[in-house]
Amino acid sequence: DAKTTQPPSMDCAEGRAANLPCNHSTISGNEYVYWYRQIHSQGPQYIIHGLKNNETNEMASLIITEDRKSSTLILPHATLRDTAVYYCIVTGSGDKLTFGTGTRLAVRP
Amino acid sequence: GAVVSQHPSRVICKSGTSVKIECRSLDFQATTMFWYRQFPKQSLMLMATSNEGSKATYEQGVEKDKFLINHASLTLSTLTVTSAHPEDSSFYICSAQDGGGREKLFFGSGTQLSVL
Repeated sequence: DAKTTQPPSMDCAEGRAANLPCNHSTISGNEYVYWYRQIHSQGPQYIIHGLKNNETNEMASLIITEDRKSSTLILPHATLRDTAVYYCIVTGSGDKLTFGTGTRLAVRP
Repeated sequence: GAVVSQHPSRVICKSGTSVKIECRSLDFQATTMFWYRQFPKQSLMLMATSNEGSKATYEQGVEKDKFLINHASLTLSTLTVTSAHPEDSSFYICSAQDGGGREKLFFGSGTQLSVL
């Protein structure tokens, strides 16, 4: 069973920031939050992951609340190529990744 | 970044035949690989965990005799769909773990299997 809750769909305008929320209220102390995305008919692509501190890389930023019960993935300047299904996954060390239903993000011109 | 190569990308076969899908980690060694299946408009479902040099661990409801997994080396895992039937038509995706523990997973590009 997926341990996360995400809105089924969102949209944003090209060039604007896309903020994708994820609830993981049952997360345990040793579990990480991972974000992947899947563009149609391709394998998932790793975006970012974190434990409790906020993280940033060349693709996105991950903001994790202090109680770790929720997080937000931020795509700072969304482009049309960011249209995809975004999966928020909570997993422990060495555990398999269990995918939920994700958020379908549509970036509009 | 690490690359996982999956072949073929698309295969069409007749009912009753077997199909082999290969998953290779190109620039790292993967002691663990995972096989997923995805039906249209659905999420990825984990089928099995493949460990180098040992038997695969299958998820509940996945027939191990139908979906044969071999992980003979640290860079190659194969999934063979035996006696394929139309209901086995799906998008199959492999992933490999770069390092142990909390390292991120890298995914192959997937194989679209169509059984006629």
